[in-house]
This record gives sequence, structure tokens and C-alpha cells, in this order.
Amino acid sequence: AQRVTQPEKLLSVFKGAPVELKCNYSYSGSPELFWYVQYSRQRLQLLLRHISRESIKGFTADLNKGETSFHLKKPFAQEEDSAMYYCALGFGGSEKLVFGKGTKLTVNP
Amino acid sequence: EPEVTQTPSHQVTQMGQEVILRCVPISNHLYFYWYRQILGQKVEFLVSFYNNEISEKSEIFDDQFSVERPDGSNFTLKIRSTKLEDSAMYFCASSVDRNTGELFFGEGSRLTVL
Repeated sequence: AQRVTQPEKLLSVFKGAPVELKCNYSYSGSPELFWYVQYSRQRLQLLLRHISRESIKGFTADLNKGETSFHLKKPFAQEEDSAMYYCALGFGGSEKLVFGKGTKLTVNP
Repeated sequence: EPEVTQTPSHQVTQMGQEVILRCVPISNHLYFYWYRQILGQKVEFLVSFYNNEISEKSEIFDDQFSVERPDGSNFTLKIRSTKLEDSAMYFCASSVDRNTGELFFGEGSRLTVL
């Protein structure tokens, strides 16, 4: 079955420090991977998708099929990055996204 | 910027009662979804809806659940006879294209079943 694992429930870093939010997936076919973010008192929104290979708000994520990972990285965290981050998996023939449990990132001043 | 809107934001109901959660998707979107998140758990897919019919549903979406687009703007989720375990945050989402993975979510409706 398709599964997404985010091993860290909570992650706390200081402003200016690098941050990496881990995501591993389980799917034997060609996956589509996404990172969604939910800022405090805001709705869930798409941050980035692997197929775009873009940097959004300084965040990047690389799909590593060998390690079945899609970790989210930012070299210098900002306080406004504090939010809940969800990794999500899309897969062939299905309209649904499978979400991980999320990682709450706190960036301290 | 257009947004998905959901009502009510919070509903408390007694076990066994019927509940209808309402959503207004973004107007030019064609694909509509319901997800739910039980407190502390994952966001889980319930159902997708396209062209006035269900296109995919999960095993959670049993006979107690139904969806409808009654008037071309609203998209509703009905739970016929609520159970305690239906207590969750229910998210409506819409997308213009099923292949992009970009879902636009509403703020959610928190359902509490007593």
C-alpha cells in the first residue's frame, strides 16, 4: 500500500540555521511528490512539487528514488517558516493524495 | 484571490444525527475532494468528484457518506448517522486539473460527535 512517513513530529531550529524535513514514501511505481504547508490559522496550501524542480520561499526538495525520499531543505531558516509541513504522494491512476502525519517546524529567533 | 470556502467552521452533533458539511469550490475548478483529519492523525482522502459523479472514493467513504453538487456552486458532504469516530476536521478541496497535484483547500469544518 502507498504510504508516506515523516519521522519527525516536531523540529525546532534557530533562525539562520539550515533545516531539513524528512519524508520517505512507499510506492513501487513512479511517484509524484508534494510538500504542503499550513501556517498558523491558515489553510493547507501547496509549497512545491517534485516535478517542477523549483525553489519556493528558499525551500527545495529532491526526489531520491533509490532512497524513496523527498526531503525538504532550506539553507537558512526564517521565523516566518514556522508552520506545519506535510509531505504528500500522488500515484498513477489515482486522484487521491496520500499525506504524511506532518512535521511542525518552529524557527526560534 | 479566489478561495475555497467551507461552512460551518465547527459543528457539534449527537451520535446518530445527520450532518451536512458545505463547501464552495473555486469557480473555474472542475475537480472536488473531501479529506478528513482526525486529531493527531494524517490527512486522509475520502472522495473525489468530477462531472457530477464520484470518480474515486476511499474505504472510509462507506454508505454513511454521500456527496452532492446540488446547484453548480455548492459541494456537500453528508454523513447520515454520525458515529463518535466521525469526529474530525473535514477539508474540502478543489483543483482545475487532476494531474497537477495542486489542491486548493478550504479552512476546514470541525465536526464533534458527542
